[in-house]
This record gives sequence, structure tokens and C-alpha cells, in this order.
Amino acid sequence: QLQLQESGPGLVKPSETLSLTCAVSGGSISRSSNYWAWIRQTPGTGLEWIGSIYFSGNTHYNPSLKSRVTVSVDTSKNQFSLTLTSATAADTAVYYCARVLRQLIFDYWGRGSLVTVSS
Amino acid sequence: IVMTQSPATLSVSPGERATLSCRASQSVSSNLAWYQQKPGQAPRLVIYAASTRATGLPDRFSGSGSGTEFTLTISSLQSEDFAVYYCQQYNVWPGTFGQGTKVEIK
Repeated sequence: QLQLQESGPGLVKPSETLSLTCAVSGGSISRSSNYWAWIRQTPGTGLEWIGSIYFSGNTHYNPSLKSRVTVSVDTSKNQFSLTLTSATAADTAVYYCARVLRQLIFDYWGRGSLVTVSS
Repeated sequence: IVMTQSPATLSVSPGERATLSCRASQSVSSNLAWYQQKPGQAPRLVIYAASTRATGLPDRFSGSGSGTEFTLTISSLQSEDFAVYYCQQYNVWPGTFGQGTKVEIK
């Protein structure tokens, strides 16, 4: 059974960089034909797709966040990561990693990681 | 594309049918998914391509519609079905989610 698990700091200071990692188990990123994604959820704006990556490193980003977001992959560790620069309070959210079934359909999700941006 | 779900809250008795609606501000063809989310959990894919059930979902869940109007029907609500349901269009990049319909016990 495929499992995803987010990890990273739960508190980030304003203007600093938010970084999260998603460890994948029960399947290999490098042998998968799927993209892998980051999605966030806030009470105000709801669910928002952030970006996706293929094992080759090919990426797609939400235009609203593209200038601040980088998604990377480490196939040797079977994990992928998110960095979001210049964090503000508006970036406070639960961040999920997920597998992309196809297009922007997400069929396996991690449990989520709450990140608060505050001084 | 703006996705509008109705109603915001649906009160249903166990065993009854629940009908949830989702409207897109422009046509999304059949590129529409539904997710279920319980408190403290991640969303779970229920339906994609407007009417295809995700792996492992019971057949009491069904989806219909195309273009701008979509429906998720739960034919006979079980206790584990009470949750928030989100629709999502993936026809136009970057994809957008609705604000959700909470299905609660009546």
C-alpha cells in the first residue's frame, strides 16, 4: 500500500523559507509513471494545488505561487520536497503531499503537516 | 474557473440519499473530481472523470454531470460517509476546488 508522509518545521518566521519533505513508501518514485504533488489547505482559501514533479525532475507550478515555489525530487531517498520563499501569514496552512493519478487528480495523500508562519 | 458547491451543509439521516451539487463558472467537460474529507484527515478521492469511482469506493457513491453542472449522490448514507465533500475541476490549469459541502447527521 502506497503511503506518503510529510515532515518539516511546524513554525516558520515571516519572510523566511518554508521547507517540507514527503517520504514515499510502498512504491518507487523512480519507477512510477505518476507525478507527485503538493497541495495546501487553509480555512480561508480552501484547497490549493501548489506544484507537481516527475521523477525526471520535470515540474509544474501554480502560477499564483510560481515565483516563490520550488519542488524537487530525490529518487535515492524516494522523497520529494517543497520550498516556499518569503513566507507570510497567508502561507499558514496544512500542507499535503499526494500522488497524481493523472492530470491534477490526487489519489493518494499524506496525512498533512500544519505550518504556521508567525514571529 | 470558480467552483460553487451547494448546499453548504446537508443534514441527512442514516440510510437516506444525499445529493450534492457542484457548478463550474465555465465548462470543464467531464474533468471533475470529488473528494471526501473527515476531521483531521486528508481528502480522499471519491470520483474522477465526473462519474468514475475511485479504487475501493463502494457503489453507493455515484457521480454525474458534464459541462458546468455536476452531482455526487450517496444512495444510502452510512455513518462513515458523514464528512465534507469537495468538487475539483482539472480541465483548466491550475485546477480549482469548491468550498465544500458538509454532510451531517440529521
